[in-house]
Amino acid sequence: NAGVTQTPKFRILKIGQSMTLQCAQDMNHNYMYWYRQDPGMGLKLIYYSVGAGITDKGEVPNGYNVSRSTTEDFPLRLELAAPSQTSVYFCASSSVAGGTDTQYFGPGTRLTVL
Amino acid sequence: AQSVTQLDSQVPVFEEAPVELRCNYSSSVSVYLFWYVQYPNQGLQLLLKYLSGSTLVKGINGFEAEFNKSQTSFHLRKPSVHISDTAEYFCAVSDLTTGGGNKLTFGTGTQLKVEL
Repeated sequence: NAGVTQTPKFRILKIGQSMTLQCAQDMNHNYMYWYRQDPGMGLKLIYYSVGAGITDKGEVPNGYNVSRSTTEDFPLRLELAAPSQTSVYFCASSSVAGGTDTQYFGPGTRLTVL
Repeated sequence: AQSVTQLDSQVPVFEEAPVELRCNYSSSVSVYLFWYVQYPNQGLQLLLKYLSGSTLVKGINGFEAEFNKSQTSFHLRKPSVHISDTAEYFCAVSDLTTGGGNKLTFGTGTQLKVEL
């Protein structure tokens, strides 16, 4: 049982480039989440999904897109990278609504935009 | 919207001493409360949670927290810390009254540094 996996672990992008951060879970969880973590700011919710085909915006969705075609995968897309998107990105999943029970986090992707 | 305040950004403490990490949330009738821990270069993991019932909640690694509704607080405590407790601790809340059960609002974190 791998839990929540994220790839890549590290990435450096140039301004204007695009990329997809991958997230997968093998726990058959319906709920999945993307957060960004900036120093001294805690975690901010970017997007979340309550099941395959259903996604919704979180607190800081601008500049990002998501899709959820399967229960297992929840990729996060950056279309035009900007320095403000330099951050550590965490994916998480939960079996029930993530505000009512445990969320399981991946190891994170550290992204730098130069 | 719900908000969470962690009053201390850093807490230094000597090994075997007690520690309290403070967390306050904005008032609401119905909330669930969580503490997550993040060890260096890792993702977050659940330490403990309050959903209902007893206001004193026990978690992993000897930590406990007390839900105080009148003071809208959920402070985390440990009677004797170990070097391995050095990590960042996040308080989080979900506000069920506004249909927010799907998601958490996190505090800004408290860095606990245990020294010999």
